[in-house]
Amino acid sequence: DQQVKQNSPSLSVQEGRISILNCDYTNSMFDYFLWYKKYPAEGPTFLISISSIKDKNEDGRFTVFLNKSAKHLSLHIVPSQPGDSAVYFCAASVRGGSNYKLTFGKGTLLTVNP
Amino acid sequence: DGGITQSPKYLFRKEGQNVTLSCEQNLNHDAMYWYRQDPGQGLRLIYYSQIVNDFQKGDIAEGYSVSREKKESFPLTVTSAQKNPTAFYLCASSSFGTSGSYEQYFGPGTRLTVT
Repeated sequence: DQQVKQNSPSLSVQEGRISILNCDYTNSMFDYFLWYKKYPAEGPTFLISISSIKDKNEDGRFTVFLNKSAKHLSLHIVPSQPGDSAVYFCAASVRGGSNYKLTFGKGTLLTVNP
Repeated sequence: DGGITQSPKYLFRKEGQNVTLSCEQNLNHDAMYWYRQDPGQGLRLIYYSQIVNDFQKGDIAEGYSVSREKKESFPLTVTSAQKNPTAFYLCASSSFGTSGSYEQYFGPGTRLTVT
């Protein structure tokens, strides 16, 4: 049973436009969410996170929105750049849990066209 | 430079052989993790360790073993019992969220090919 779902395997956008990557979760115990970016044959790098006490967190071109009632979060990248082309993973965790595990989605491949 | 190192980058083994993947971190993190990535599967947790000399199974531990004798090191052994060992293996570490954050930091990965 997949607790974190990224239903779009891929997304293509034009340089300079907005990229919106979506993530849904089913476990209502999750209260901390993260986005990672991954290039082929490399380890994922942390991008941005949000706790359940917030509905928005912003860091430069990256903004994450959380809708707890819908169990949905999204990552906005504005403006998109060709270097943003990568696989983006959504992850979720239960803070205060005993194991600090992250549950990952399957990822969305973002392609930013020049 | 602080970070996580994994070696080697590429590893080739014959079927039936055990192989050990190295993971070292100098971030002074207490927790360490092993994941595997397969095409279209995302990251799946194999084992994790929160403290030296202690570790727990993740979601797909069968056919794998680990040890945590030092805080800095968390090697993963892929045994001959693992049915589909060919994959990209990622090691990660994290602090215990004392700063309120729960990010895991990843190494560069090891691509294991078993034929």
